[in-house]
Amino acid sequence: NAGVTQTPKFQVLKTGQSMTLQCAQDMNHEYMSWYRQDPGMGLRLIHYSVGAGITDQGEVPNGYNVSRSTTEDFPLRLLSAAPSQTSVYFCASSYRTGGIYEQYFGPGTRLTVT
Amino acid sequence: RKEVEQDPGPFNVPEGATVAFNCTYSNSASQSFFWYRQDCRKEPKLLMSVYSSGNEDGRFTAQLNRASQYISLLIRDSKLSDSATYLCVVTRPSGNTPLVFGKGTRLSVIA
Repeated sequence: NAGVTQTPKFQVLKTGQSMTLQCAQDMNHEYMSWYRQDPGMGLRLIHYSVGAGITDQGEVPNGYNVSRSTTEDFPLRLLSAAPSQTSVYFCASSYRTGGIYEQYFGPGTRLTVT
Repeated sequence: RKEVEQDPGPFNVPEGATVAFNCTYSNSASQSFFWYRQDCRKEPKLLMSVYSSGNEDGRFTAQLNRASQYISLLIRDSKLSDSATYLCVVTRPSGNTPLVFGKGTRLSVIA
């Protein structure tokens, strides 16, 4: 199993540009999520999905869109990039069994917005 | 009070030392607790779950104190390879953010 994969690993955008961060998992996990990690801020949830066709907002959803058309894929779209979105983005997936979640993280995408 | 609080460190300890981290959480209804490890510029990975009765995995011991709302992680016989940031993670019983991550405690094991 490849686990959770993310592309690209690094990206530089200009303010106002849009782009999609890709995330895929091959573990048949129902739950997928996107986090951003900033220095001194810890991991913050952007959006999450409990299954294909179902998405919901996390703590910091503004400026981002998601969709979940298949179990495997959960892309994150930046609508109009801003310098405040410079961050490391992690995608994660997990089963939802018994209310206990072990999240598997992808390697991250390091995004810089200039 | 923040939902999950950790001392950011860094904790600088010599090889072979025993080191302990604490983490406090504010929601008494939280049900599940975890320690994750994150190496520099890498993704977080689950280190261990924390059970009510306490649990041990090799050199690592996790404890939960529900009355005082804190969890702890003890590392015995520290290795250079233990150098990392340790994240305390707590589940919310409801709401749209099921997992809450602490900001992490940085450990540096020195030769």
